[in-house]
Amino acid sequence: EAGVAQSPRYKIIEKRQSVAFWCNPISGHATLYWYQQILGQGPKLLIQFQNNGVVDDSQLPKDRFSAERLKGVDSTLKIQPAKLEDSAVYLCASSLGGTGGAYEKLFFGSGTQLSVL
Amino acid sequence: DAKTTQPPSMDCAEGRAANLPCNHSTISGNEYVYWYRQIHSQGPQYIIHGLKNNETNEMASLIITEDRKSSTLILPHATLRDTAVYYCIVRVAFSSTLTFGKGTMLLVSP
Repeated sequence: EAGVAQSPRYKIIEKRQSVAFWCNPISGHATLYWYQQILGQGPKLLIQFQNNGVVDDSQLPKDRFSAERLKGVDSTLKIQPAKLEDSAVYLCASSLGGTGGAYEKLFFGSGTQLSVL
Repeated sequence: DAKTTQPPSMDCAEGRAANLPCNHSTISGNEYVYWYRQIHSQGPQYIIHGLKNNETNEMASLIITEDRKSSTLILPHATLRDTAVYYCIVRVAFSSTLTFGKGTMLLVSP
């Protein structure tokens, strides 16, 4: 079974530039998540999609971050303009149904490591 | 969701059992205990979860105390590949959000 695919693996940009990350979830998974992981900390949820609708974006800095999931499959996360504090690993995850049942497991990709200089 | 407390780091000798503790003293009756781990440069990986009974799968065992205020993840025969950050997460049933803390960095040495 193919896992969650993310690209690029690494990205280096200067502050005030824009950047985009791409995620392809596991086939058939209705729910997609974007997490931000700053060095030394656990992942923090940015946004959750159920199919192509947003379920939770309460921690997404909407003045600079945006995300979309067209057709309920692939997703892109964009930062514009980037700040130094956005340096982090951006993880995408997917799960089967998003109903949050006891057996709901999240499957994570390997992430995109962003460095903002 | 209830908060969890884990030691920041632990060491374990290869081949020995690794016992990772987690305190969740404010856990509610409808909250499950989940364990994920994150190997360096990879995303987190699901290990096991439980409500109140002890659980075992091919990766690990989960022991939850009778009062459910703490739990222990057991890796019965740790290998070098088990070196990772282990996250204990308490999650309400029917809530798909996972909230990660800082976890425990487990170092398995030869």
